[in-house]
Amino acid sequence: IAGITQAPTSQILAAGRRMTLRCTQDMRHNAMYWYRQDLGLGLRLIHYSNTAGTTGKGEVPDGYSVSRANTDDFPLTLASAVPSQTSVYFCASSVLLGETQYFGPGTRLLVL
Amino acid sequence: GESVGLHLPTLSVQEGDNSIINCAYSNSASDYFIWYKQESGKGPQFIIDIRSNMDKRQGQRVTVLLNKTVKHLSLQIAATQPGDSAVYFCAETIYGQNFVFGPGTRLSVLP
Repeated sequence: IAGITQAPTSQILAAGRRMTLRCTQDMRHNAMYWYRQDLGLGLRLIHYSNTAGTTGKGEVPDGYSVSRANTDDFPLTLASAVPSQTSVYFCASSVLLGETQYFGPGTRLLVL
Repeated sequence: GESVGLHLPTLSVQEGDNSIINCAYSNSASDYFIWYKQESGKGPQFIIDIRSNMDKRQGQRVTVLLNKTVKHLSLQIAATQPGDSAVYFCAETIYGQNFVFGPGTRLSVLP
């Protein structure tokens, strides 16, 4: 693995279902982030993690939860998906919080 | 990429010409700025950054200019190539908190 990987690449999900998007980085970066990107809008921060064991809320956290059990992994969970969560989700990491972020390839999620 | 929208501003340039992409940032206290490139179906890719104590920074074929007086950031790409076709967007932050990303500009390189 080199950089950041995300899984799945894409997913179609029925409303009300639970879904976890996976993110793994092998750069030993301390900080990790989850963004959503919607048509015509910029990236919006959902949650972030300063270091393993700590997480924080971003601009649009409602309906999402995260955990950071170790340095490498930062999963994003939708407890009960709704159609407004249809988006492209990007995971990113940086050496330290607030430094240049490096992005994964994204997960395209469609909630019906 | 899926960041692109029907309403994104578009810049079309001839291959070999120079491109200038502009960004108006929102917060006069922002102290760190980044330009990203996003190709279709891919995640954003870091291009170049600049801190607020600088006016200009150069990389390979790219230059970023910062005008704090009018809160304006620009990305100049020299000798634009077909591989430069993408959506470009800027990001700003204050003390590394709450990165704010612009919606982006689509660059289309004409043969």
